[in-house]
Amino acid sequence: GNSVTQMEGPVTLSEEAFLTINCTYTATGYPSLFWYVQYPGEGLQLLLKATKADDKGSNKGFEATYRKETTSFHLEKGSVQVSDSAVYFCALRTPSGTYKYIFGTGTRLKVLA
Amino acid sequence: DGGITQSPKYLFRKEGQNVTLSCEQNLNHDAMYWYRQDPGQGLRLIYYSQIVNDFQKGDIAEGYSVSREKKESFPLTVTSAQKNPTAFYLCASSILLARRNSSYEQYFGPGTRLTVT
Repeated sequence: GNSVTQMEGPVTLSEEAFLTINCTYTATGYPSLFWYVQYPGEGLQLLLKATKADDKGSNKGFEATYRKETTSFHLEKGSVQVSDSAVYFCALRTPSGTYKYIFGTGTRLKVLA
Repeated sequence: DGGITQSPKYLFRKEGQNVTLSCEQNLNHDAMYWYRQDPGQGLRLIYYSQIVNDFQKGDIAEGYSVSREKKESFPLTVTSAQKNPTAFYLCASSILLARRNSSYEQYFGPGTRLTVT
């Protein structure tokens, strides 16, 4: 079946450190891939997306590349800020059938000043 | 501005009472979804609807019910049969089929935190 696996948190970094949050997926066909961010007490906001192999999604300094060969969509940022502290979710949209969205369990990021 | 609204933001109920959570969208999206989120957990799908007057059970539908009488509205009722209803509930919507200049991401509402005592 379809699934998303992302690294467990919490991830604690100092300000200006490099961030990587790993995400791998299992799906038939070519799913669309997403990263969402959730701040405390709020809903999820789309951070970036990619719809086909080798696409790179980017937003607010965050990047992720759709790697079909490794079934991965790792989130990276070169220099994190305290304001990036949040929970990050990797997700895929199943490419056919019922068009459901599968989410990873979320990775909490804490950035220290 | 287009978006999804959920109300209320906080809801308190006594055990044994049914409660209905509101979700409205003005994005003209075909599909709508309800998720449950428990502390430190990911999202679990309760119900989803791809068209008016039709909806499907998700992974944890027991103790919940929904309706989809209008495209823009997808209310969720938490019934007294739900054994552990205290949670954060998120509503989302998306397009169903790709159109020019659109993509498949889900848009989320701000959530409703339900506490049952």
